[in-house]
Amino acid sequence: DTAVSQTPKYLVTQMGNDKSIKCEQNLGHDTMYWYKQDSKKFLKIMFSYNNKELIINETVPNRFSPKSPDKAHLNLHINSLELGDSAVYFCASSQAGGGNTEAFFGQGTRLTVV
Amino acid sequence: GEDVEQSLFLSVREGDSSVINCTYTDSSSTYLYWYKQEPGAGLQLLTYIFSNMDMKQDQRLTVLLNKKDKHLSLRIADTQTGDSAIYFCAESPLGNTPLVFGKGTRLSVIA
Repeated sequence: DTAVSQTPKYLVTQMGNDKSIKCEQNLGHDTMYWYKQDSKKFLKIMFSYNNKELIINETVPNRFSPKSPDKAHLNLHINSLELGDSAVYFCASSQAGGGNTEAFFGQGTRLTVV
Repeated sequence: GEDVEQSLFLSVREGDSSVINCTYTDSSSTYLYWYKQEPGAGLQLLTYIFSNMDMKQDQRLTVLLNKKDKHLSLRIADTQTGDSAIYFCAESPLGNTPLVFGKGTRLSVIA
């Protein structure tokens, strides 16, 4: 039973389109994240979200928006896709408090914008 | 600010030990992590160390932490071809915020 699952695994779309990536975790964690991994494999945090607070990395364009229908889900919606948005997007979750913020990752969504 | 540095590439022969090094900047990090990413896969937690420890051993993995120098290393004994992957060092600033990752070290194991 997958702990953090993302769909779709692959997404190919044209510039200018709007798309969403879904993420679900069944670990009962209270915090979820979206990371972007570029072509050089560098990982950058985009958002972190728990039921109290959304923290946005200031470098993330406002075309990207996280949406959380409930504690177990954090979806990523992207408007007006650009070529530079092509990357692998990882969802992750962790339990806040206690100091150990070990994050559990989904398998990633490879987004290709053409 | 938060910054985690790693060398980008390491190549070793099968059976040798691999040592992957990492430096971090945030002294408030209470836990430090090593993640492994195999091709086409997500990140898998390998091990972590609490900041009041100097060393942690788990089978073929040994983590060394020098808190004074903010230096973390991961040693893989008897490296196998299946260990070929990208290894990410990560810190958790303030102990309760998103992990900050290094750029990853690509380990290549030569048979």
